[in-house]
Amino acid sequence: NAGVTQTPKFQVLKTGQSMTLQCAQDMNHNSMYWYRQDPGMGLRLIYYSASEGTTDKGEVPNGYNVSRLNKREFSLRLESAAPSQTSVYFCASSEIPQRTAGGYTFGSGTRLTVV
Amino acid sequence: AQTVTQSQPEMSVQEAETVTLSCTYDTSESDYYLFWYKQPPSRQMILVIRQEAYKQQNATENRFSVNFQKAAKSFSLKISDSQLGDAAMYFCAYRGYNTDKLIFGTGTRLQVFP
Repeated sequence: NAGVTQTPKFQVLKTGQSMTLQCAQDMNHNSMYWYRQDPGMGLRLIYYSASEGTTDKGEVPNGYNVSRLNKREFSLRLESAAPSQTSVYFCASSEIPQRTAGGYTFGSGTRLTVV
Repeated sequence: AQTVTQSQPEMSVQEAETVTLSCTYDTSESDYYLFWYKQPPSRQMILVIRQEAYKQQNATENRFSVNFQKAAKSFSLKISDSQLGDAAMYFCAYRGYNTDKLIFGTGTRLQVFP
């Protein structure tokens, strides 16, 4: 099925470990996003990429890095995981609002626990 | 900066009844999109309904409808004939017409009782 694929679905890290969350979309969308979801706080934007080769900080970028490897792939890296990064992470993709009536397509999420 | 506020952390409804979830937003833009997303326990984000601000008619999708009040910056979701499968977290979201970012509210957890 066409859509956004995130890996892994679950991960447990020890404090200080690093990891990369992978995301790929096959809809030829230009824009891709990483959000984190925490109880009582909704989804908050970490980083986004409006096109291949560009990335921009969102609302909560500290402690994260991203790479837009090509048009399909957008990865999120935690260099030194902290318990405060325990969260559910969502990748999403979109076209410019005028082409898609604003809609996003979301991946199924990654539940990350840092102990 | 745009903000989205959902003032009801939790709501409950009995099966077959109607429930309304509230959402207000703040923006200085005149053209934008508003959305309601459903997140069941599976964690998947499912688009329920969308509204384009330039359209005066309220959007409807089967049992789901919105009450869009542009002047009041209000965007409520009405679920009619509630079903057990409607139990989920519901997020209101905003996107400017010429911007990339989708801004979410904090969510409302809906419980449906038999």
